[in-house]
Amino acid sequence: DAGVIQSPRHEVTEMGQEVTLRCKPISGHNSLFWYRQTMMRGLELLIYFNNNVPIDDSGMPEDRFSAKMPNASFSTLKIQPSEPRDSAVYFCASSNGRGWETQYFGPGTRLLVL
Amino acid sequence: KQEVTQIPAALSVPEGENLVLNCSFTDSAIYNLQWFRQDPGKGLTSLLLIQSSQREQTSGRLNASLDKSSGRSTLYIAASQPGDSATYLCAVRPPLTQGGSEKLVFGKGTKLTVNP
Repeated sequence: DAGVIQSPRHEVTEMGQEVTLRCKPISGHNSLFWYRQTMMRGLELLIYFNNNVPIDDSGMPEDRFSAKMPNASFSTLKIQPSEPRDSAVYFCASSNGRGWETQYFGPGTRLLVL
Repeated sequence: KQEVTQIPAALSVPEGENLVLNCSFTDSAIYNLQWFRQDPGKGLTSLLLIQSSQREQTSGRLNASLDKSSGRSTLYIAASQPGDSATYLCAVRPPLTQGGSEKLVFGKGTKLTVNP
């Protein structure tokens, strides 16, 4: 298996622009997670889906952030409008939904908002 | 609210040394605890997962212990090698009876450097 695939790997944009991050989970996994990592706050869960349904979005910072999972093999995280404080590494992870097994992480998208 | 702390934030050791990384958590009601490794510019890789009913897990030169009552876990690395240089993160999962049972709460990690 190719593992969790994220695109783009790097994104540089200007404040106010819309940013869309993409994720393809491991085939057969039914849980998908979006995390954000910064030096100050570490790794934080933004939202997670189970069977394409959002289960917990309490970590989404504000209405500028939205996430969708239209099918089992694709998810997006959108920031509109973007701000410099959104600069971070965004990770997608997937799991088979069984609580005792691990999550598998993608390589991340490094976002810089100027 | 569960909080996870890892001390020290950075550690530098000579090759061959045995070392211990520490993780503490504020709420002892956890489902399991995991140790991850993160290499620069890469995602996280799971190293060891300890269920709440277990005391330790071992994989090769790595041994993780869990003392749930005191809210502590350690990751022991034997005979360290330069290839072990990475950031090591600890994460806890709340019990299944609580909402968001798949949520992981992460520490900020310990950056390990093993010098040849």
